[in-house]
Formats: sequence, structure tokens, C-alpha cells
Amino acid sequence: NAGVTQTPKFQVLKTGQSMTLQCAQDMNHEYMSWYRQDPGMGLRLIHYSVGAGITDQGEVPNGYNVSRSTTEDFPLRLLSAAPSQTSVYFCASSSLTGGYEKLFFGSGTQLSVL
Amino acid sequence: SQQGEEDPQALSIQEGENATMNCSYKTSINNLQWYRQNSGRGLVHLILIRSNEREKHSGRLRVTLDTSKKSSSLLITASRAADTASYFCATDLRGGADGLTFGKGTHLIIQP
Repeated sequence: NAGVTQTPKFQVLKTGQSMTLQCAQDMNHEYMSWYRQDPGMGLRLIHYSVGAGITDQGEVPNGYNVSRSTTEDFPLRLLSAAPSQTSVYFCASSSLTGGYEKLFFGSGTQLSVL
Repeated sequence: SQQGEEDPQALSIQEGENATMNCSYKTSINNLQWYRQNSGRGLVHLILIRSNEREKHSGRLRVTLDTSKKSSSLLITASRAADTASYFCATDLRGGADGLTFGKGTHLIIQP
């Protein structure tokens, strides 16, 4: 049982480049989400989804796009990377059986934008 | 802005002592969760307490929830060096309109 799989683990981009962070879960969870973690800021919610075809913005959505074409996958796209997007990114998923249940986290992607 | 806020931001205690950290939130919730993050790792779920519960235990962990004060506390008893980590509370707003949001965390250091 793989849980939540995030790729890549590390990435360095130049300003203006685009890339996609991949996230996949094999637990048939309805809820998937992306967070970024910066020193002293805790985790901030970027985008989330409560099911295939449904996405919504979190606290810090600007500069990021998401889509949810399947239950399993929830990729995060940076269309034009900026130094302010240097951060550690976490994907997480959970069941929504009784509201938001226990979140399962991926191992994170450390992104540096030069 | 973030829904939950942990207090204190940092806590250093001796091994064997109890550690208490608090979380305050702003609006009505369905449930509140606590997570641990070891340095350089992802977050791990510790415990979930629902809005109609007042106290929950899991091993050396005790969580309380006071919905009238919009606050929760996490108590770790008989602390160990391995408990050194950052601890976060997470809340979902009633109705789930904004996903699951986290506070900034409490960094706990257990001195051997």
C-alpha cells in the first residue's frame, strides 16, 4: 500500500520556468490537497479537491493551477515560477466519511526557484 | 488567514516531563486534528477529536477540546527524546468550505 506518492523530491527551477508536481494516492480518498510550508509560516493550503472534477482555492492559490481528472491524481502546476514559490510542498489526502478525516501526507517536494 | 494558532511557538522540557501545547481557532469546526512533523519529514496524524467530544486519549497523548473557548490542548505525558518535533493543529470549518487548515505549529524540544 503506497499511500500518497509525490514526485519529484527535489527540484530547482529558473524564474519563469513551468513545472508540474505530481501527487497520487491509492486509498480512494475523496479529498486531496496541496500545502506549502515555509519557515515560521506553518502549512498553508494552496488548492484542494473534494472529488474528481471539483477543485477549489485555498489560502494561497496565486501562481498555481490544479486539476482533478481522476480520484487518484492531483497534480499542481506552476505556470511561471517565481522566487517567492521557493518552498517545501506537501500533498495530502483523506476520506470525507465524517467530514475531514485523518490526512495522509506525501514525503514532500523541496522546490527552489532561482 | 490561518484558522488555528498553536501556543507556545517553542517549548523545551526535560525528558520525562509532561508537555502541553495549545491551539486556538476562530470559527465553528467539525473536528480538530493534531499532527507531528519530525525535521525534514512529512506530517503524521496523531489524533482527531470531533466537535461533540471533550477529551480523547491515545497512548501518552491526551487531547481536550473546549468549543465554547474555541481551543484545544495536546498533552504528551512522560516525554521522550523521540518526541522532539513540531506539532500542528488542523481544523475544518463547519461546512468544510475552506478545506483543512493548519496553524504555525509548536516546536517541542525534549532535553535528555
